[in-house]
Amino acid sequence: QKEVEQDPGPLSVPEGAIVSLNCTYSNSAFQYFMWYRQYSRKGPELLMYTYSSGNKEDGRFTAQVDKSSKYISLFIRDSQPSDSATYLCAMKGSGNTGKLIFGQGTTLQVKP
Amino acid sequence: EPEVTQTPSHQVTQMGQEVILRCVPISNHLYFYWYRQILGQKVEFLVSFYNNEISEKSEIFDDQFSVERPDGSNFTLKIRSTKLEDSAMYFCASSEEASGGTQYFGPGTRLTVL
Repeated sequence: QKEVEQDPGPLSVPEGAIVSLNCTYSNSAFQYFMWYRQYSRKGPELLMYTYSSGNKEDGRFTAQVDKSSKYISLFIRDSQPSDSATYLCAMKGSGNTGKLIFGQGTTLQVKP
Repeated sequence: EPEVTQTPSHQVTQMGQEVILRCVPISNHLYFYWYRQILGQKVEFLVSFYNNEISEKSEIFDDQFSVERPDGSNFTLKIRSTKLEDSAMYFCASSEEASGGTQYFGPGTRLTVL
């Protein structure tokens, strides 16, 4: 079983739609959960950062972590064409490791 | 807003040649990382660096790879003898802390080995 699984898509939605992106993971030691956005041939840009379980909201973005199900989600409300990118989930354990484990990334296209 | 910078943006080299990829992390950050992303694949961890030494490395980071902080601002990744399979995007990242710290990524260096 892969440590982090993410459906690569592509996911195509109309402008204004609510987008739901998800990752599952197998390592129960993961404590920190992140979502990065990556435009083509660019570096990952941090969107959301969550510690342990719960929800976090920032503008149109909401991140959810359910550690009991080993499942994390990113919701994008009122999606815009500028949201078209690849969304990467990433996670790491506690302790002194900074090593991030990434999902495959989901490619999102928001059509005007 | 402070950001991680990387040079060059694109490096083309012949198989067997040495390459050095350069990064300038965010100035008050203490932890530095290299990741790579082969086209169409996941971003993969290579190495983390703190207090002038490697703190963790992956199986990918073999004897052909080395990292260095030659001065107070630069952080480099050297590949001693490049192979075709080293062709990838290489990302540098930095953070204030290891465990809870948020990692900020640079724009990447695209390495093409011919």
